[in-house]
Amino acid sequence: DQQVKQNSPSLSVQEGRISILNCDYTNSMFDYFLWYKKYPAEGPTFLISISSIKDKNEDGRFTVFLNKSAKHLSLHIVPSQPGDSAVYFCAASAQAAGNKLTFGGGTRVLVKP
Amino acid sequence: KAGVTQTPRYLIKTRGQQVTLSCSPISGHRSVSWYQQTPGQGLQFLFEYFSETQRNKGNFPGRFSGRQFSNSRSEMNVSTLELGDSALYLCASSFGQGYYGYTFGSGTRLTVV
Repeated sequence: DQQVKQNSPSLSVQEGRISILNCDYTNSMFDYFLWYKKYPAEGPTFLISISSIKDKNEDGRFTVFLNKSAKHLSLHIVPSQPGDSAVYFCAASAQAAGNKLTFGGGTRVLVKP
Repeated sequence: KAGVTQTPRYLIKTRGQQVTLSCSPISGHRSVSWYQQTPGQGLQFLFEYFSETQRNKGNFPGRFSGRQFSNSRSEMNVSTLELGDSALYLCASSFGQGYYGYTFGSGTRLTVV
């Protein structure tokens, strides 16, 4: 039972345009959501997070939106840069479950120059 | 400051053998979590240790075990290796709850032949 799903395995976008990555979850106990970026042969790098009491969080070029009623979150990257080419994972946690993160399957982003 | 250090980076073992992987967290971090990444199952939570105590455990067989030492360094052990245990094993450390300071190491790539 996949509690966190990223339905788009890949995304190709032109440099300078917006990248939109989507993530759906099923567990209503999740109260904190994170996005990680991962290059091959490296560990995931934290990008941005959002608490369930908010619906938006911005950090530079990265914005995460949370729609609790739809159990959906998205990551917007504006503008996209070639260095953003990587695999992006969304992850969710529930305070009751401590530090355990449940990850989506990832979306591979390719930013074309 | 130094990041999360995992050793070794690469490992090849034979089916039936056992293996021990090591993780040194960021100085001052007391929580260490382990994740397994495979192409088929994605990133899955193995277990978390805090102050030498296992605080949380994922859905993995008993062949997977871990421990944490008084200096917060952690080891995970897999006994009676199976071909399906081939994966990237990632360690992550955080000071406490992990919502803001969850940092991953580069991982140990284990290949079982």
